[in-house]
Amino acid sequence: DAKTTQPTSMDCAEGRAANLPCNHSTISGNEYVYWYRQIHSQGPQYIIHGLKNNETNEMASLIITEDRKSSTLILPHATLRDTAVYYCIVGYTGNQFYFGTGTSLTVIP
Amino acid sequence: EAGVVQSPRYKIIEKKQPVAFWCNPISGHNTLYWYRQNLGQGPELLIRYENEEAVDDSQLPKDRFSAERLKGVDSTLKIQPAELGDSAVYLCASSRGQLVELLGETQYFGPGTRLLVL
Repeated sequence: DAKTTQPTSMDCAEGRAANLPCNHSTISGNEYVYWYRQIHSQGPQYIIHGLKNNETNEMASLIITEDRKSSTLILPHATLRDTAVYYCIVGYTGNQFYFGTGTSLTVIP
Repeated sequence: EAGVVQSPRYKIIEKKQPVAFWCNPISGHNTLYWYRQNLGQGPELLIRYENEEAVDDSQLPKDRFSAERLKGVDSTLKIQPAELGDSAVYLCASSRGQLVELLGETQYFGPGTRLLVL
């Protein structure tokens, strides 16, 4: 039932920008794009979400294509603590988040 | 402001035994969710509450799982009897539950309860 497609894993050098892609070609007009991450043995942590416009907060930037069929999460200066599984979620289908398997990001020293 | 609180953090039981998990959502959050996360997978919704009403329990295995949120605040998820396949992390999340579709409601997760059934 997952509505998004993400690469299984990615590596990023410490201090560089991490760009995590997500495809959501079946997104409907009122559905948001959410990003969460999960560090080992912790609950998912909210990062950012958006509808149409690009968004930025203290953690990351979210770039959504004009047709809204894909998006990219950008961590501008990755640190070792950013190593986690990143989930791209399209919602809100009856308030249920379909997490899928996410992208396992490893930040390399 | 305190986040979502869950207890216990870890639980080890033998199969056929009962087990219960407790969740206290963020203050003022009307919507509460229980998810189950199997190893290497993303969380999957078990049940969603709007205040004290269970509005989506389609994924809850009702033969052995039950949940309650009697006063519309904290919630308990129970398994009786537990099976080996129930070993997983049980996550609780909450959201404000207002104007969900229009405002892009955000769910906030607790740390989870890691259950091991032997």
